[in-house]
Amino acid sequence: DGGITQSPKYLFRKEGQNVTLSCEQNLNHDAMYWYRQDPGQGLRLIYYSQIVNDFQKGDIAEGYSVSREKKESFPLTVTSAQKNPTAFYLCASSRGIRDPGDTQYFGPGTRLTVL
Amino acid sequence: GESVGLHLPTLSVQEGDNSIINCAYSNSASDYFIWYKQESGKGPQFIIDIRSNMDKRQGQRVTVLLNKTVKHLSLQIAATQPGDSAVYFCAEPPAGRRALTFGSGTRLQVQP
Repeated sequence: DGGITQSPKYLFRKEGQNVTLSCEQNLNHDAMYWYRQDPGQGLRLIYYSQIVNDFQKGDIAEGYSVSREKKESFPLTVTSAQKNPTAFYLCASSRGIRDPGDTQYFGPGTRLTVL
Repeated sequence: GESVGLHLPTLSVQEGDNSIINCAYSNSASDYFIWYKQESGKGPQFIIDIRSNMDKRQGQRVTVLLNKTVKHLSLQIAATQPGDSAVYFCAEPPAGRRALTFGSGTRLQVQP
């Protein structure tokens, strides 16, 4: 099956701990994205990567970090500096960067809860 | 600032009726719009998109209309079914960036 996978589906973290969310895609897409969604809200962009070994901050990057060492993988680390990390995290990918019409496909999400 | 937003937070319709979900945008330079459907606890699913050189685009049971004069777009769902119950988002890529700006969404509730 082709698609985007995120793991784990549910994640619990104690305050002060860093945690890493996994995102993998086998669609051969160049671009990958991380969004955060709070209850009853739309999606807000955290980070995005247009190509391997390159990434840019989105609208709410503070307290988060990413890496893009492989085309297929774009892990997100939620650090202890993120003041309110409890949220639903969504990873997406798209074919390229040249055409705004390159549809973004989303993974199933990871729900992070800070205890 | 630039924004993509929705008129109504919740829309309730009877099964079999047509649904219309609206979205307003403020950036007159926007050239591409996307509608996503998000079921509870899942990631958004692409429904249909439209470029600014079009006024209308049809898919299977869905139609998107774009009115550039008033910066408004709508998603029409024909013969709404219980499986259409979800939150619907319109989204656009901001200028110079390939990620998306999402509105807050409209929840569609289909009554049997």
